[in-house]
Amino acid sequence: DAKTTQPTSMDCAEGRAANLPCNHSTISGNEYVYWYRQIHSQGPQYIIHGLKNNETNEMASLIITEDRKSSTLILPHATLRDTAVYYCIVRALAGGTSYGKLTFGQGTILTVHP
Amino acid sequence: NAGVMQNPRHLVRRRGQEARLRCSPMKGHSHVYWYRQLPEEGLKFMVYLQKENIIDESGMPKERFSAEFPKEGPSILRIQQVVRGDSAAYFCASSGTQSDYEQYFGPGTRLTVT
Repeated sequence: DAKTTQPTSMDCAEGRAANLPCNHSTISGNEYVYWYRQIHSQGPQYIIHGLKNNETNEMASLIITEDRKSSTLILPHATLRDTAVYYCIVRALAGGTSYGKLTFGQGTILTVHP
Repeated sequence: NAGVMQNPRHLVRRRGQEARLRCSPMKGHSHVYWYRQLPEEGLKFMVYLQKENIIDESGMPKERFSAEFPKEGPSILRIQQVVRGDSAAYFCASSGTQSDYEQYFGPGTRLTVT
């Protein structure tokens, strides 16, 4: 089962930052935090991942707390096309029960409105 | 570089028939994952395959479902004697190695059992 907890839904105004929280209090030392999103029943799309340092790419930023028990995905300037279900996933890259496969929870439905 | 291809995109089968879903991974990728998304539910891992080998089938139903990834050709997810409860979206993803950060997802096959 998924080892993450996310709010069921969130709203965001277009052009504003969207901050999506995720709790993963049982994360293991070799597990990364991944974020994927699924836009309207399309195939999931990778967004970003991190281990313990904050990460940024062209899509988003990932802030991981020092104890690694929670993280926040930040979409700096949300657009209508960012409306999607966002999944926070913990996954090991080597060994352990989470190795290889992605275990999706229910995710957060983000609605960006004009 | 073409992405992950899945066909057919939509498949309608009557109860008792067989369904064959195909997945062509990205060029150069030798790892394939299958996921199922039942209506109004999240994505669930089914099986992970590498060329000619099943690595993890912990999410596969015990009966009627099978998967293969031959040395040549696409990966096949086969569902025998389909029932209405098999109606779902089936997604496959591929990666170059098991520890690749990103799994690339296909557009999915929507199976409807009548």
